[in-house]
Amino acid sequence: NAGVMQNPRHLVRRRGQEARLRCSPMKGHSHVYWYRQLPEEGLKFMVYLQKENIIDESGMPKERFSAEFPKEGPSILRIQQVVRGDSAAYFCASSPWGGGQPQHFGDGTRLSIL
Amino acid sequence: DQQVKQNSPSLSVQEGRISILNCDYTNSMFDYFLWYKKYPAEGPTFLISISSIKDKNEDGRFTVFLNKSAKHLSLHIVPSQPGDSAVYFCAATQGGSEKLVFGKGTKLTVNP
Repeated sequence: NAGVMQNPRHLVRRRGQEARLRCSPMKGHSHVYWYRQLPEEGLKFMVYLQKENIIDESGMPKERFSAEFPKEGPSILRIQQVVRGDSAAYFCASSPWGGGQPQHFGDGTRLSIL
Repeated sequence: DQQVKQNSPSLSVQEGRISILNCDYTNSMFDYFLWYKKYPAEGPTFLISISSIKDKNEDGRFTVFLNKSAKHLSLHIVPSQPGDSAVYFCAATQGGSEKLVFGKGTKLTVNP
């Protein structure tokens, strides 16, 4: 999984705090995707971004969750006022362009809410 | 509403034999299918894909078969190796969408 870099690998937050997850796509990739995996489940799509644009956020919860992919720097998934149910593994993927090209995943951030 | 289903949570095979992992889907609009392999504490790694215009795609020890009428695909690994032990996810997408829809995965164990 070299190439897509996610940090931190593990993040512990208390209920009500904010969680910020970072993703740097593979070099040359301008498409970024975020997925969430709950225990014993498959990955669930959250959001698809290109530089400075949110293309598809149909999988994002309506409240507390936001994502960005600025012109410079990594993509950020932000979760405000975290609750226990936000505990999960969050994976970022990237691709060079859309159109069905395989998405390449990072190793994820494991978020634990106390 | 689970659009991609992997009905076998686990599969165990002997080294050198064939592993067959199955996947069913319900959305007839899906036209591109992928298999990913995942080790614990790592992200999914892309293995092989197939477009709906084909019924077979092969890459080394890995072959994916697509049966559109049955809305079924399978991944064959021949010969299986202990290093193949991992969770295998089937994923699907449809033209115009970048969203991958994943199954819940099948844990493959290859015994030496």
